[in-house]
Amino acid sequence: GAVVSQHPSWVICKSGTSVKIECRSLDFQATTMFWYRQFPKQSLMLMATSNEGSKATYEQGVEKDKFLINHASLTLSTLTVTSAHPEDSSFYICSARRKGTDRETQYFGPGTRLLVL
Amino acid sequence: GESVGLHLPTLSVQEGDNSIINCAYSNSASDYFIWYKQESGKGPQFIIDIRSNMDKRQGQRVTVLLNKTVKHLSLQIAATQPGDSAVYFCAEGVEGDYKLSFGAGTTVTVRA
Repeated sequence: GAVVSQHPSWVICKSGTSVKIECRSLDFQATTMFWYRQFPKQSLMLMATSNEGSKATYEQGVEKDKFLINHASLTLSTLTVTSAHPEDSSFYICSARRKGTDRETQYFGPGTRLLVL
Repeated sequence: GESVGLHLPTLSVQEGDNSIINCAYSNSASDYFIWYKQESGKGPQFIIDIRSNMDKRQGQRVTVLLNKTVKHLSLQIAATQPGDSAVYFCAEGVEGDYKLSFGAGTTVTVRA
């Protein structure tokens, strides 16, 4: 177990539009979900941490009004990139931490590639 | 083949040989470490983890070694296969914090 899915797997949009990415834990309940951003040939950069039913905690330098996160249930978190611009083009990856465990292991989704024209 | 992680971010290894991927972590307070494998265009895949109260842990074809004295972590892959070609990241965390900090990554290429 510990499967995380993301939808869509890739998206192309026009500058100025908003894009929503879904992250789901398929076979477990996730206490905490994380959103990362990854540029080509670089490591993962944590954007925000979200707990079910509460507001997300954003990392320094990440605009919360730009990247809206909603963690509606123990199996679903969404990231909305508002008024997307070409510089927002990146690979967005979510991860989830299993409820009921004291381990810090995060299970990752397959990622969503966003291209803003 | 062996890499030194941050200084040599690529490792080329002959199929069938053992691979050693190294990682120097920065936070002396970190007490939980994970190795992830990321194939091109995919999300990171959990390989193995280790807590700071251990110095070695073995999985299927993989072994993680932890040296807290010099803040060094390594991943050994036995009998490397073409499917092992990927970028390998070490991640460190502090118990109870739940956030992970990722290293730069080492690209492993397996030669046939």
